[in-house]
Amino acid sequence: KAGVTQTPRYLIKTRGQQVTLSCSPISGHRSVSWYQQTPGQGLQFLFEYFSETQRNKGNFPGRFSGRQFSNSRSEMNVSTLELGDSALYLCASSQGQPGQQYFGPGTRLTVT
Amino acid sequence: GNSVTQMEGPVTLSEEAFLTINCTYTATGYPSLFWYVQYPGEGLQLLLKATKADDKGSNKGFEATYRKETTSFHLEKGSVQVSDSAVYFCALSGSSGNTPLVFGKGTRLSVIA
Repeated sequence: KAGVTQTPRYLIKTRGQQVTLSCSPISGHRSVSWYQQTPGQGLQFLFEYFSETQRNKGNFPGRFSGRQFSNSRSEMNVSTLELGDSALYLCASSQGQPGQQYFGPGTRLTVT
Repeated sequence: GNSVTQMEGPVTLSEEAFLTINCTYTATGYPSLFWYVQYPGEGLQLLLKATKADDKGSNKGFEATYRKETTSFHLEKGSVQVSDSAVYFCALSGSSGNTPLVFGKGTRLSVIA
């Protein structure tokens, strides 16, 4: 089975712009979660989608949003980018077993 | 709320040395506990897990035992290899199903030959 794929792998954006990141989960997985990883804050949960519905949400401002499509692929969007949004964004999929998630390689976002 | 605390790194060991990475947690009820590993340039991989008290998770020579009395889940390996160099994350999943993973800050391990 193919693993979790994320596109693009690297992205450079300017402050104030918006960005969309994409995640394709492992075939058959209906849950997709997004995390932000930074050296200072570590791994922080953004949100989780299950069958196209947001099931859980972390403590991030409304500039961060996401959605899931009927084929379980997911996108996350960040509007009005700030320098502090520079991070590795990780997507993870699962079949529903609590905690047992499969991670993609991440998208490295740099905001200048 | 739920939280995980793990020892700060970096940890540098010689090949074949014994490894311990400490992890303690705060949670209500009976969470499930996990160790994930992140190799350079990659996403996280599940290394091992334990879902109830006194369970021992093990994989690739790594072990961790779920200790409810000390709220701990320390990672151990008897003899590390250079290929074990990575960042290790302790994590928990709350007992009330479908709750997001909560991660520790991660511990970077470097093993030198």
